[in-house]
Amino acid sequence: DGGITQSPKYLFRKEGQNVTLSCEQNLNHDAMYWYRQDPGQGLRLIYYSQIVNDFQKGDIAEGYSVSREKKESFPLTVTSAQKNPTAFYLCASSIERGPEQFFGPGTRLTVL
Amino acid sequence: AQKVTQAQTEISVVEKEDVTLDCVYETRDTTYYLFWYKQPPSGELVFLIRRNSFDEQNEISGRYSWNFQKSTSSFNFTITASQVVDSAVYFCALSEAMNTGFQKLVFGTGTRLLVSP
Repeated sequence: DGGITQSPKYLFRKEGQNVTLSCEQNLNHDAMYWYRQDPGQGLRLIYYSQIVNDFQKGDIAEGYSVSREKKESFPLTVTSAQKNPTAFYLCASSIERGPEQFFGPGTRLTVL
Repeated sequence: AQKVTQAQTEISVVEKEDVTLDCVYETRDTTYYLFWYKQPPSGELVFLIRRNSFDEQNEISGRYSWNFQKSTSSFNFTITASQVVDSAVYFCALSEAMNTGFQKLVFGTGTRLLVSP
């Protein structure tokens, strides 16, 4: 089955710790994205990547970092510099430059 | 900047009722795409439809229909004979061309639909 997987589904971390969220896709899509969703709000773009070894900041990149070493994988690190990291994080992918994006199941991060 | 407004925060209906979810957008692009996504309680966003700005034909897919009106910058979504399984948060989204040639999606804040038996 082709799709996007995110792990883990729920993640708890102590304040001040970095944490990495996994995103893998087997759709052979070139582009991948990370979004953040807060209660009662829409999705906001954190980072996106058009090709391997290339990525661009989105609207709310501060306190986050990414890498794209393989076409299938686009991990997101939430660093201790992110002031309010508790949120629902969604990964997406698309063919080349989109615009149609397909989403993974999401990771709910709670920082205690 | 692009903007998507979903003024209805939450709608409650009884099963078999028809319901319309409103979406109004603002864009400076002449070519753009509009989308609807469904987010069930599990959290994953499910793609429902994409329309491009050149195609104003309404579309019907089973119990779902979409009304795109460029003159009023609206892209409304109607569910006919709603069912409990339709309960979810629905997001309207608009593509935005960036200077990298890339297109990102701008999302509305979503409308929570509750369908009771």
